[in-house]
Parts: sequence; structure tokens; C-alpha cells
Amino acid sequence: QQQVKQSPQSLIVQKGGIPIINCAYENTAFDYFPWYQQFPGKGPALLIAIRPDVSEKKEGRFTISFNKSAKQFSLHIMDSQPGDSATYFCAAHQTGANNLFFGTGTRLTVIP
Amino acid sequence: DSGVTQTPKHLITATGQRVTLRCSPRSGDLSVYWYQQSLDQGLQFLIQYYNGEERAKGNILERFSAQQFPDLHSELNLSSLELGDSALYFCASSSSADLYGYTFGSGTRLTVV
Repeated sequence: QQQVKQSPQSLIVQKGGIPIINCAYENTAFDYFPWYQQFPGKGPALLIAIRPDVSEKKEGRFTISFNKSAKQFSLHIMDSQPGDSATYFCAAHQTGANNLFFGTGTRLTVIP
Repeated sequence: DSGVTQTPKHLITATGQRVTLRCSPRSGDLSVYWYQQSLDQGLQFLIQYYNGEERAKGNILERFSAQQFPDLHSELNLSSLELGDSALYFCASSSSADLYGYTFGSGTRLTVV
């Protein structure tokens, strides 16, 4: 059973576009929602994270929007660049648990 | 370089065999996590160790086992290998100060033929 549902599976945008990746969850005990970026041949790397007491967090061109009532959160990449082409994973951490539950990933391609 | 070292990077072995994957966590990190990444299932949590003790178990098969040694490096042992065990295996570590800040290694690509 997938604890965090992620969509779309893949995404192609033009340079400068704003790709949006969505995630949804059911478990209200989740208390931390990170996004990871993975390049081919590398491990996932923490990109940005949010806690459920805020609705939005920005770090550079990356923004997380969080809707606690809908149990949904999304990643927006402003002014996307070809170097942003990677696989993006959302994740959720449950209070008291000792692991992150990952979404299935979104492969983003930014065309020059 | 993330600071988490995994060896070997690639491993090709036959069905029925046993392999050991090794992970050295980032300096100072006491927690080590093992994840399996396959094409259709994303990142699946296998097991976590904290300062030598098992802390949590995920979808880890009985044929798989792990341990964390006094120097904090960890090993994941996979036995009676099947074709379906072919995947990328990642190790991640985190510190006591930032339990949620996982740092991943570059992974070991296991191919079972």
C-alpha cells in the first residue's frame, strides 16, 4: 500500500516553464514532508521540506504548497532550467516512526 | 559527495547466491537506513539501525538481513537471490540533531542473472 501517492509519473516542460508535482496522503500522523531530487546514477538529495503548520515554503526557485485539510502538497519549480531535469520524490515522515515513506517519483525533463 | 559511502557500486550475481552491501554513514550520524529502489515501486524502506541497534523494519524479506557495527558502518546481506531482487539499494544516514534530514549514498546496483 502506497502511503504517499505522487503524480504525474513523468513531466516535460519547456525551459522557463513551471512544472508542478503533486502528492497526497491519508495518514494524519505525518509531521514532515520533504522533497528529494535524484539525478541519474546518484542517490536522492534533500531539496526542500515543510511541516504541516505552514502552507507554503520557498527556497530559491523551489516552492512547496501544503494543504493540510486536503492532505495534499505540491512542488513548484519556477523558471525551470534544463539542469532541473531529474526525478523528484515527495516523502512523508510519521511521528514516532523511524523511516520516510516515499512517493513513486516524477521524472522531469526540461527542454532547452 | 554526500558523505555516505556505499560499496560496491555495481554487483552482478547469479540466482541463489548471497551478497553483502556495505554502507559507511556520514561522520557523526548514528542512524542508518536501507532502501530498495525498483522501477515500478519507487523507494521502499527496508530497515533502520541506530547506534548498532535495529530500530525499525519495513518491507524487508526474510532472506535479507542487516547489521550495524560498532564503527557505525552497516551491511545489508541478501541471500538466496532471485531475479526480482535486482534493484538499486540505497543507504541513508541521519544525525540525532536532525533525524529527518536523510543523506543518501549513491547506491549499489544489484543485478541478479
